[in-house]
Amino acid sequence: SQTIHQWPATLVQPVGSPLSLECTVEGTSNPNLYWYRQAAGRGLQLLFYSVGIGQISSEVPQNLSASRPQDRQFILSSKKLLLSDSGFYLCAWRFRYEQYFGPGTRLTVT
Amino acid sequence: GENVEQHPSTLSVQEGDSAVIKCTYSDSASNYFPWYKQELGKRPQLIIDIRSNVGEKKDQRIAVTLNKTAKHFSLHITETQPEDSAVYFCAARPQGGSEKLVFGKGTKLTVNP
Repeated sequence: SQTIHQWPATLVQPVGSPLSLECTVEGTSNPNLYWYRQAAGRGLQLLFYSVGIGQISSEVPQNLSASRPQDRQFILSSKKLLLSDSGFYLCAWRFRYEQYFGPGTRLTVT
Repeated sequence: GENVEQHPSTLSVQEGDSAVIKCTYSDSASNYFPWYKQELGKRPQLIIDIRSNVGEKKDQRIAVTLNKTAKHFSLHITETQPEDSAVYFCAARPQGGSEKLVFGKGTKLTVNP
């Protein structure tokens, strides 16, 4: 069966520090992968998606970037975090029609 | 592009009552409509979905209906229980090879014991 992992689960970072969040999927190959952000009490904002290695589509211009160095690995990065980057970061993958979310990383920028 | 509107934003019901959440979409070519349940502090979980070639789908106490003419779809929860309390999100996927789901803003459902 397919499994999606994210780490770390929680993260507290100062403003201006770098960020790296990792997402990996097991049990499938060539999945579509997605990064979402959810501010406290808000909806799901799509940040990036990838249909294959090295293929990244950006949905929202901001100080975040994404990379897909391997088929089942998706990384979200920032060189300098802003206070507004705080939120719940969710990785997701698509299987046929369905889309499933990972457990998420809760990021607090102080 | 596709736009999904979800109503109501909050819904409070008594245990045992039914709850209905409605979503409208703008792209008539959208062909897939999932519903997610998100409990506090957890990831959204896919609870039911429907494709454009089906008008209704049921799974125990939950059901989804789709009206393609009116471009709206609804989630129905019967015999609500306190554990149904959560935020529910609808979504639509446009046709034409789109890789993205477009989400509604969510409905916070509270089931009072």
